[in-house]
Amino acid sequence: KQEVTQIPAALSVPEGENLVLNCSFTDSAIYNLQWFRQDPGKGLTSLLLIQSSQREQTSGRLNASLDKSSGRSTLYIAASQPGDSATYLCAVRTDTDKLIFGTGTRLQVFP
Amino acid sequence: DGGITQSPKYLFRKEGQNVTLSCEQNLNHDAMYWYRQDPGQGLRLIYYSQIVNDFQKGDIAEGYSVSREKKESFPLTVTSAQKNPTAFYLCASLGGPAGYTFGSGTRLTVV
Repeated sequence: KQEVTQIPAALSVPEGENLVLNCSFTDSAIYNLQWFRQDPGKGLTSLLLIQSSQREQTSGRLNASLDKSSGRSTLYIAASQPGDSATYLCAVRTDTDKLIFGTGTRLQVFP
Repeated sequence: DGGITQSPKYLFRKEGQNVTLSCEQNLNHDAMYWYRQDPGQGLRLIYYSQIVNDFQKGDIAEGYSVSREKKESFPLTVTSAQKNPTAFYLCASLGGPAGYTFGSGTRLTVV
């Protein structure tokens, strides 16, 4: 059974720091991996999607990498800002089109 | 703009009452999903539908029911058999290069 783990569970950093959020999964047979952002009481906003054949994706200050063989993905946030404060979720899509989520990393960036 | 609309945003249920959560999408996606989110537990899959007039149980389907009579609509009914329905419910659809798209959620509370 696919399990997704995110470390750390929470992170508090000063503005301007570069951050790395980690995601690991137990079964390497994934179709793709998607990173989401969730603000309190809100739905999920897709940040980056990495296909199983890809190694990384970039969008602005965000970069996500994928090492399928080792079951790991990282989300790199450059020059963090208070507006980046949110919960970040990673999820893997299985070959049956199910999306399995990690429990998230709660990020707080203070001025 | 294309997207997913969930309604209502907040819903209150009395003991023994059935309630229905609405989910509508105009993305022309075939697959739709319902997730439940509880604090500290991440998102868990309730039901999903990959095509009109067909749906499958997810990991926590007991006490819930769905229908998929139209491609655009995937309503979720929380029945009186669901003993702990207080949670945040998220609807999603799958299609195209964007991967999964989520609605803004419905917060259900038992009163």
